Amino acid sequence: AQSVTQLDSHVSVSEGTPVLLRCNYSSSYSPSLFWYVQHPNKGLQLLLKYTSAATLVKGINGFEAEFKKSETSFHLTKPSAHMSDAAEYFCVVAPTEGRRALTFGSGTRLQVQP
Amino acid sequence: DGGITQSPKYLFRKEGQNVTLSCEQNLNHDAMYWYRQDPGQGLRLIYYSQIVNDFQKGDIAEGYSVSREKKESFPLTVTSAQKNPTAFYLCASSMGGGNQPQHFGDGTRLSIL
Repeated sequence: AQSVTQLDSHVSVSEGTPVLLRCNYSSSYSPSLFWYVQHPNKGLQLLLKYTSAATLVKGINGFEAEFKKSETSFHLTKPSAHMSDAAEYFCVVAPTEGRRALTFGSGTRLQVQP
Repeated sequence: DGGITQSPKYLFRKEGQNVTLSCEQNLNHDAMYWYRQDPGQGLRLIYYSQIVNDFQKGDIAEGYSVSREKKESFPLTVTSAQKNPTAFYLCASSMGGGNQPQHFGDGTRLSIL
């Protein structure tokens, strides 16, 4: 079985300061992992994906994530937050067997203060 | 531009009524998915389809039905048996199953009158 846990339901940062959104996963095999972003009343947009190549993955809009197998973590970071980054972020693990659909975390709402 | 189109954007259901949410994709993707999103929660899988004329139940299929008669289309019917249908419904597609990233539509918000 596989699962993903987003450790913070809400994160608030000031514009221009770093962003850290935390995600831990559980998987029987080496997983494929994704981060998605959702703006209000919109669908989800893929930020980045990890598929067992480089452990540091760069995505769109200046976001990146580091896969740490020893810590079973896949935290999302950005050096400097913009107001437009305010949204809901989802950490997602891909299936490895049996179930053939993604498993989503419960989401982290990022607020960016001016 | 290729993408996924969901319609309508907002939908209202009366008691005892079935309603159908539309999802169309022109990405030539084989797999399509329906998710339900409730406030403060992640996405929960309702149904998915890996290929035309075939689909599987997800985690919360009760009270819902789907069809996959064409590769481009995967409509979702919310039946009267679904007692708590108020939610945001998202459709997605991918090249295949497994570890392929999914592309999402902009959702349909369903409310009860």
